[in-house]
Amino acid sequence: DIHMTQSPFSLSASVGDRVTITCRASQGIGKSLAWYQQKPGKVPRLLIYDASVLQSGVPSRFSGSGSGTDFTLTITSLQPADVATYYCQKYNSVPWTFGQGTRVEIK
Amino acid sequence: QVQLVQSGAEVKKPGASVKVSCKAFGYTFTSYGVSWVRQAPGQGLEWMGWISAYNGHTDYAQNLQGRVAMTTDPSTNTVYMELRSLRSDDTAIYYCARVGPGVTNNWFDPWGQGTLVTVSS
Repeated sequence: DIHMTQSPFSLSASVGDRVTITCRASQGIGKSLAWYQQKPGKVPRLLIYDASVLQSGVPSRFSGSGSGTDFTLTITSLQPADVATYYCQKYNSVPWTFGQGTRVEIK
Repeated sequence: QVQLVQSGAEVKKPGASVKVSCKAFGYTFTSYGVSWVRQAPGQGLEWMGWISAYNGHTDYAQNLQGRVAMTTDPSTNTVYMELRSLRSDDTAIYYCARVGPGVTNNWFDPWGQGTLVTVSS
């Protein structure tokens, strides 16, 4: 099975900072990658699919890039509302594995 | 409005079974699939499996094979997830999420509100 590894495990940044989270697949998955945001105590929410397509209603400060094995989620200007854990997920073939998550906090 | 509404919290004893429902609203039920994801306390997201509401095809996570079963009832637009031989480490929030349409659009959106399943003697 393909393993998904996110880094860092957690990060703390200031409001307005650019934040980057990476996700690496143990084998190539094309562009079959999604990013989800889960705020504390809340249901996960789809942010990005097909590696770079922004889901409707998601703020434009979120963006995704990558293909094959290396992917990136970027928040261009971190806001207090972005405090959450972010998960990548591959879906090219089952099992549709998640990364272990990256916790984002405000410094 | 597309939404998935799950059944309420459950408390079960070790060895018992639990069946969680997920009722779909606002879209053509048989054009999509439904996946199940669980989250143990303080932990990350674990994919459990999925079912096609079109033809009933299922795929399950290897670590749950033999204990999990997903079914659909198209007459009520409802998907069910049954987990048998419960253990304490099955204590988690269980989420359903819509998948598709098509065979490549396998991202999850939207998600149900979650169902807390507690396994305790």
